[in-house]
Amino acid sequence: TQLLEQSPQFLSIQEGENLTVYCNSSSVFSSLQWYRQEPGEGPVLLVTVVTGGEVKKLKRLTFQFGDARKDSSLHITAAQPGDTGLYLCAGGGSSYGKLTFGQGTILTVHP
Amino acid sequence: ETGVTQSPTHLIKTRGQQVTLRCSSQSGHNTVSWYQQALGQGPQFIFQYYREEENGRGNFPPRFSGLQFPNYSSELNVNALELDDSALYLCASYKGGPGADTEAFFGQGTRLTVV
Repeated sequence: TQLLEQSPQFLSIQEGENLTVYCNSSSVFSSLQWYRQEPGEGPVLLVTVVTGGEVKKLKRLTFQFGDARKDSSLHITAAQPGDTGLYLCAGGGSSYGKLTFGQGTILTVHP
Repeated sequence: ETGVTQSPTHLIKTRGQQVTLRCSSQSGHNTVSWYQQALGQGPQFIFQYYREEENGRGNFPPRFSGLQFPNYSSELNVNALELDDSALYLCASYKGGPGADTEAFFGQGTRLTVV
């Protein structure tokens, strides 16, 4: 059974601070996706990384896939209140439809 | 906007009842996956449908069943509801068959409460 562990589970910071969320597994994934979910809504895809060592940037968000494709990180620079939400990492195996999700990181950014 | 729509958005059922949740996949998408998300947890894979057949199943009992229709829309049926079935049920669609290198897009979910 493939498992993904996210840390931290909760993060409460002030506007302007930087933060990093980690996603770790003992299993190799063919891809790693990061989602953001608002309360009562479905997850919205932020990025997909597929190559070991890959780094992708989306404005103030930087995503990295580990060299061995077992772990990933999400770094947010100068966090804003609009970044508040649940961040989920999800590993893809042979089929993108069968995703293994981490338990999520609840981020709260205070003005 | 993802284009994946789910109905109903909220539902309250009594323990022992049966429920049907519906999902319309995004245009051009032929594969649908269903997930259960308990409060404070990440989504858990229930099963996936491709070409109207179940293709892959997570660790859920047989009372969780589904259908996919020729227009690629899908239903999730749960029989003999239990209190622990209370959760947000998410539908995700993507293009291509199993193993295709595509990204899944999620609907807004159906919040099921079992009392």
